[in-house]
Amino acid sequence: ILNVEQSPQSLHVQEGDSTNFTCSFPSSNFYALHWYRWETAKSPEALFVMTLNGDEKKKGRISATLNTKEGYSYLYIKGSQPEDSATYLCAVSSNDYKLSFGAGTTVTVRA
Amino acid sequence: DADVTQTPRNRITKTGKRIMLECSQTKGHDRMYWYRQDPGLGLRLIYYSFDVKDINKGEISDGYSVSRQAQAKFSLSLESAIPNQTALYFCATSDPVLDTQYFGPGTRLTVL
Repeated sequence: ILNVEQSPQSLHVQEGDSTNFTCSFPSSNFYALHWYRWETAKSPEALFVMTLNGDEKKKGRISATLNTKEGYSYLYIKGSQPEDSATYLCAVSSNDYKLSFGAGTTVTVRA
Repeated sequence: DADVTQTPRNRITKTGKRIMLECSQTKGHDRMYWYRQDPGLGLRLIYYSFDVKDINKGEISDGYSVSRQAQAKFSLSLESAIPNQTALYFCATSDPVLDTQYFGPGTRLTVL
């Protein structure tokens, strides 16, 4: 089991503001990092997968970066909108196949 | 149609009962998984299967068993349900390269 930590556990952001949050993981034996978006009453959906140190991915107003040497990834939301309200899950897989999820960061965007 | 389906979507049962949760996928992937989600704990892996003849225990397999009936079907059984198995259960399938998970809609199980 990989120790994947996400912080903060929850955050509130005003509509139009930008925000970011963190996923930390053990840097040894790293293979891939995934970000998922989980809306209430739905199932988690994949946002990004990153494998290389320095990777950056972007989808609309949401972007992510990866630092495999120090073991962290940031997810950024630019100009938050109410539809961005969700729990964002980070999952990390290792070379010997161990896939572990963090507990998630719940984002609430206030209008 | 959804790529990953789960039945039932909700189930209330009593302690000691045998329960089976079923999962089907149309993505054509070999890899399938069962997770449970508890508030504040994230998703924890119960069992996973990389093909029809391969079954592996995950992080929290005690009290559960699985059956991989076909490439597309993976069922989870609770032989004798107990209240601390009350949770939201997700089935998933993944691509073979990066293991991106495709989740079903979830089954909310309550054990009284």
